[in-house]
Amino acid sequence: QSALTQPPSASGSPGQSVAISCTGTSSDVGGYNYVSWYQQHPGKAPKLILSEVSKRPSGVPDRFSGSKSGNTASLTVSGLQAEDEADYYCNSYAGGTNVLFGGGTKLTVL
Amino acid sequence: EVQLVESGGGLVQPGASLRLSCAGSGFTFSSYWMSWVRQAPGKGLEWVANIKQDGSEKYYVDSVKGRFTISRDNAKNSLYLQMNSLRAEDTAVYYCARDRTWYDYWGRGTLVTVSS
Repeated sequence: QSALTQPPSASGSPGQSVAISCTGTSSDVGGYNYVSWYQQHPGKAPKLILSEVSKRPSGVPDRFSGSKSGNTASLTVSGLQAEDEADYYCNSYAGGTNVLFGGGTKLTVL
Repeated sequence: EVQLVESGGGLVQPGASLRLSCAGSGFTFSSYWMSWVRQAPGKGLEWVANIKQDGSEKYYVDSVKGRFTISRDNAKNSLYLQMNSLRAEDTAVYYCARDRTWYDYWGRGTLVTVSS
């Protein structure tokens, strides 16, 4: 199966909101509510920021929110801060033993 | 505090073998699926393999089937990845992660470089 599709880059100014999309198919993103999002700063391990489309783990600011419509999931970062500059990856269960990641989106805070 | 610490990476020649380890602490290791996820230099994340709590089910990405073997020792709170017939395209940072259909805790990773 192919990787999920994310835009390679996104940007916004401090205080603004930015949305990052993650497009799959009815066999993965559209078929299950098991979409998760990860933040990765350079040289660091990925960090879970959303699970099950929109659930935030303890400690993740509520500036991070998630949604899904059809075969596309979205991560929205509101009130952008300098520390939000990072790579973001989506992930979806794809049935059976299939696991898919998106190609990643580099978020730049202008 | 949940911690995952990988070890065992290094520089090996194509065709060689390597065994990665991941030590878990701060949670009941035997209660969770565990996964290995890798990231080639400058590239995105790729799920490699996962294993059920008791080791009875194991799954792999197609590109490593027949070459990699995932295992665990719950008595030692440890996860392993035996990698045989390594190829240049296996060069990556290998992360172990707690698998709940999402990956809520990750180790810092261990770098595997396959090069002659």
